[in-house]
Amino acid sequence: AQSVAQPEDQVNVAEGNPLTVKCTYSVSGNPYLFWYVQYPNRGLQFLLKYITGDNLVKGSYGFEAEFNKSQTSFHLKKPSALVSDSALYFCAVRDGVTGGGNKLTFGTGTQLKVEL
Amino acid sequence: EAGVTQFPSHSVIEKGQTVTLRCDPISGHDNLYWYRRVMGKEIKFLLHFVKESKQDESGMPNNRFLAERTGGTYSTLKVQPAELEDSGVYFCASSYALAGAYEQYFGPGTRLTVT
Repeated sequence: AQSVAQPEDQVNVAEGNPLTVKCTYSVSGNPYLFWYVQYPNRGLQFLLKYITGDNLVKGSYGFEAEFNKSQTSFHLKKPSALVSDSALYFCAVRDGVTGGGNKLTFGTGTQLKVEL
Repeated sequence: EAGVTQFPSHSVIEKGQTVTLRCDPISGHDNLYWYRRVMGKEIKFLLHFVKESKQDESGMPNNRFLAERTGGTYSTLKVQPAELEDSGVYFCASSYALAGAYEQYFGPGTRLTVT
């Protein structure tokens, strides 16, 4: 069985400061990892993914995430937060084992609030 | 290119009634998924279509839920009869069938409230 943990329900950060949204995962095979963002009254928007290769992946809107296999983590980061980054962020995992299916397992989400 | 669309955006029904949700995937996407988020918890997988066939329906909670994808285009999710615990946001997503294209593109969701 696969699972995702987002330990923080909410993260508060001042605009211009770096931000980190934490995610840890559990999967039996190779993990395919994703971050999605949901703005108010909008659907989930894909931010970035890790499938294989470099542990640091870059995505939309200046976000990046670092895959750490030993710590089974995939934390989302941004060097300088903007007020417009305030939204709900979801981490998701898919088992990369062939035949493992396409379903994504999501965490409970982390509300990011960026203040002036 | 149009994204994934869902209808209705909101639905309020009474316990025992029937509701049908619709999802139109991105044109050309063979894979279609349904997920739901209940009471601010995690988003949970319901089922996966490849074209018109159900590839994985392991997340369907019970037989009150019926999903169809006739013709391999749009999909419907019917809840009959609805119960209070069915309230939540139902998301549809689609993706290509090609290897390497792993991300799923999500619609805006349908917020279902059962009273």
